[in-house]
Amino acid sequence: GQSLEQPSEVTAVEGAIVQINCTYQTSGFYGLSWYQQHDGGAPTFLSYNGLDGLEETGRFSSFLSRSDSYGYLLLQELQMKDSASYFCAVPHSSASKIIFGSGTRLSIRP
Amino acid sequence: DADVTQTPRNRITKTGKRIMLECSQTKGHDRMYWYRQDPGLGLRLIYYSFDVKDINKGEISDGYSVSRQAQAKFSLSLESAIPNQTALYFCATSDFTGGRIDNEQFFGPGTRLTVL
Repeated sequence: GQSLEQPSEVTAVEGAIVQINCTYQTSGFYGLSWYQQHDGGAPTFLSYNGLDGLEETGRFSSFLSRSDSYGYLLLQELQMKDSASYFCAVPHSSASKIIFGSGTRLSIRP
Repeated sequence: DADVTQTPRNRITKTGKRIMLECSQTKGHDRMYWYRQDPGLGLRLIYYSFDVKDINKGEISDGYSVSRQAQAKFSLSLESAIPNQTALYFCATSDFTGGRIDNEQFFGPGTRLTVL
């Protein structure tokens, strides 16, 4: 089977840096994605790591270590608008669908 | 205009009623998905379709059925709604470019369904 684990909640201060971790168990691995979802909104794609290493997109970066079955999303210079839930996701072993983690709710304090 | 639309956005119904949720997309994607979201449980896949003639069950298909009327339209039905089907429902689409693993899905705005 496939499963993903990520913390349910994380709290950080505006302007700081926060890291949201994700560990996964899959039979066959194709890559790790991250999605953001604001309260009442739809999930939106943030990033994808198919290979080990760091991918940077503005204030957001995503890291993958396939040997450790581990990845993280790094958010820098936190803004209040970054308060949202963040989901890691992996393609199913059949490559036909995506399996989502339960999500990490990020709360940002002024 | 939104690329993926869902109707209705909100619906309150009673136990035993038949409900249909509709999804339309203008992205030209072949793959479409229906998810259910409950607090603390993330997104769970109900059904997915790779084209009009291809329908597949997801992890929680019991109590649901779907219809892919056209490439752009994918409907989810609850034949006899029950209270534990109260949830937020999302439709999503993705592209397939011949061998590349899907890694991005595009979601509709969601339908909030309450079954009393």
